[in-house]
Amino acid sequence: ETGVTQSPTHLIKTRGQQVTLRCSSQSGHNTVSWYQQALGQGPQFIFQYYREEENGRGNFPPRFSGLQFPNYSSELNVNALELDDSALYLCATTDRAWAGNTIYFGEGSWLTVV
Amino acid sequence: QKEVEQDPGPLSVPEGAIVSLNCTYSNSAFQYFMWYRQYSRKGPELLMYTYSSGNKEDGRFTAQVDKSSKYISLFIRDSQPSDSATYLCAMSVQGGSEKLVFGKGTKLTVNP
Repeated sequence: ETGVTQSPTHLIKTRGQQVTLRCSSQSGHNTVSWYQQALGQGPQFIFQYYREEENGRGNFPPRFSGLQFPNYSSELNVNALELDDSALYLCATTDRAWAGNTIYFGEGSWLTVV
Repeated sequence: QKEVEQDPGPLSVPEGAIVSLNCTYSNSAFQYFMWYRQYSRKGPELLMYTYSSGNKEDGRFTAQVDKSSKYISLFIRDSQPSDSATYLCAMSVQGGSEKLVFGKGTKLTVNP
């Protein structure tokens, strides 16, 4: 049990639509990162939020955006969905206060774009 | 060249075998090395975490890091059918909340 909950677990969207994925973590985990994992690939870093501010971004276009809230929940928003956006989206949280093996992943949200 | 290379397999072994999983990397700044296990359609679960070079053992699992060769390994002794999963290597320059760079993952099947 990682204490990281993601919703929805599965969803299907049409190309051009917008989607919001949600993540909630245990209290004290002030850093949240989002990853995209395409089928047969390793997770790719999208961006990270720390204390409600974006703190690093991977090679993803601006139509991928996020929010982090004071209650340790966060959102990943994707606009103008493309077929290649079909993937497992993973949320990972940690307590930034110290380095160590404290990065916890949620079970992910499976997005299919048709 | 990708930053992290990992043979995707698949790898199939009999129960009780010793399994060796490997990754190579190109970024010499990586200092933190991790192995995650991912069951089908689930999130990654941290197995091993190593800082810099050397070996680390935890039960049936041993992680090795050779920074001079930019090569890391995970050994699984006395493999069990429950070890069947995809194993992902991951690395970062700084620990903690630093972004992770993953390999593609190796799909392992342990046959009873």
